[in-house]
Amino acid sequence: DVKVTQSSRYLVKRTGEKVFLECVQDMDHENMFWYRQDPGLGLRLIYFSYDVKMKEKGDIPEGYSVSREKKERFSLILESASTNQTSMYLCASSSLQGVDYGYTFGSGTRLTVV
Amino acid sequence: AQSVTQPDIHITVSEGASLELRCNYSYGATPYLFWYVQSPGQGLQLLLKYFSGDTLVQGIKGFEAEFKRSQSSFNLRKPSVHWSDAAEYFCAVVHKYGNKLVFGAGTILRVKS
Repeated sequence: DVKVTQSSRYLVKRTGEKVFLECVQDMDHENMFWYRQDPGLGLRLIYFSYDVKMKEKGDIPEGYSVSREKKERFSLILESASTNQTSMYLCASSSLQGVDYGYTFGSGTRLTVV
Repeated sequence: AQSVTQPDIHITVSEGASLELRCNYSYGATPYLFWYVQSPGQGLQLLLKYFSGDTLVQGIKGFEAEFKRSQSSFNLRKPSVHWSDAAEYFCAVVHKYGNKLVFGAGTILRVKS
């Protein structure tokens, strides 16, 4: 069964900490995405990557960075966590034919910044 | 810019009743459209998608959706709702540069027995 795995389901971090959210996919997909999900706002794209070491900003990149050193792994980094980054974070991947073959989502990481 | 509107934040239906969840999009060309479902504590699961051709598409779990270009709509329907359908439903459209999904705000479905 193909999968997108997010390393943590729940995280609690302190304000100012550097936070790493990890995502791994086993489908050899080229594209990987990080979304943030908030009630009433749906999912908003933070960053995406279409190849190793390649990245592009999404709609809300401020306060975040990403890393993609290997094809299967895409990390989201909060350089200095703030309380307004408390949210659910969802990782997804798709093939180059993403429109045709769809996207696969991880189960999400619920991050609380205190 | 592309946008997706789901005008209903919450919907409550009785078990066995029919369901229609509304979705409107704003896009300059024929979009690629999707419906996803998210059960509590879970990731998103694809219900169905529309790319071209027949405007009535069938999905999993007995869901269907109809693309209406004239109304810029892609409403999701199910003839008879089951308690297990209680979840949040998201409509999405692919970004104009391809590969980037733009989501609506979601509709939370509650099913009463």
